[in-house]
Amino acid sequence: DTGVSQDPRHKITKRGQNVTFRCDPISEHNRLYWYRQTLGQGPEFLTYFQNEAQLEKSRLLSDRFSAERPKGSFSTLEIQRTEQGDSAMYLCASSSPDDAGNTIYFGEGSWLTVV
Amino acid sequence: AQTVTQSQPEMSVQEAETVTLSCTYDTSESDYYLFWYKQPPSRQMILVIRQEAYKQQNATENRFSVNFQKAAKSFSLKISDSQLGDAAMYFCAYRRIGNMLTFGGGTRLMVKP
Repeated sequence: DTGVSQDPRHKITKRGQNVTFRCDPISEHNRLYWYRQTLGQGPEFLTYFQNEAQLEKSRLLSDRFSAERPKGSFSTLEIQRTEQGDSAMYLCASSSPDDAGNTIYFGEGSWLTVV
Repeated sequence: AQTVTQSQPEMSVQEAETVTLSCTYDTSESDYYLFWYKQPPSRQMILVIRQEAYKQQNATENRFSVNFQKAAKSFSLKISDSQLGDAAMYFCAYRRIGNMLTFGGGTRLMVKP
């Protein structure tokens, strides 16, 4: 198992464009999380899925943001009409309810720069 | 809502010495988990150590140990015999059972040779 995989690792886009990030969780992990992290700050929760169901969304997730996990495996995070304030690292993470320690494992992140 | 506070934006330690990073949290729950994550310049978040709130014994992982004070809602990380590779951002995080992680603002640890 190669861990949580995210793609692309870096994305530069012009303001107003749409961007999509993909996350492949660790195999058999049924929970998947999206976080946003800006420089010098701790990650902020955006949303999470259990299987294909989106169970919780943060107030940070404006109408321009949408996340999906159609088959309960990989997930996508789309940002429409990007703004400069969207520039951040988008982190994906996954966990299994069978993990006795309830540990959440993170991917390497997708860095977005909006110019 | 749960909050996690790390009051030390930066810490510095001499190689081979010991350093302690502080963390406090606020919750009304009695059952939860606490974590310390390390984020090196490569930026992947790596789990350092975790603590179950129902356990009185402090967790230990090699050179890393915690001081968990449940009544005080305090969860500090001690790094012994510091190494250059320990230099990173360290994040304290809280997790209610089956829920997401809430992170503190982080502490940047510098290790001097």
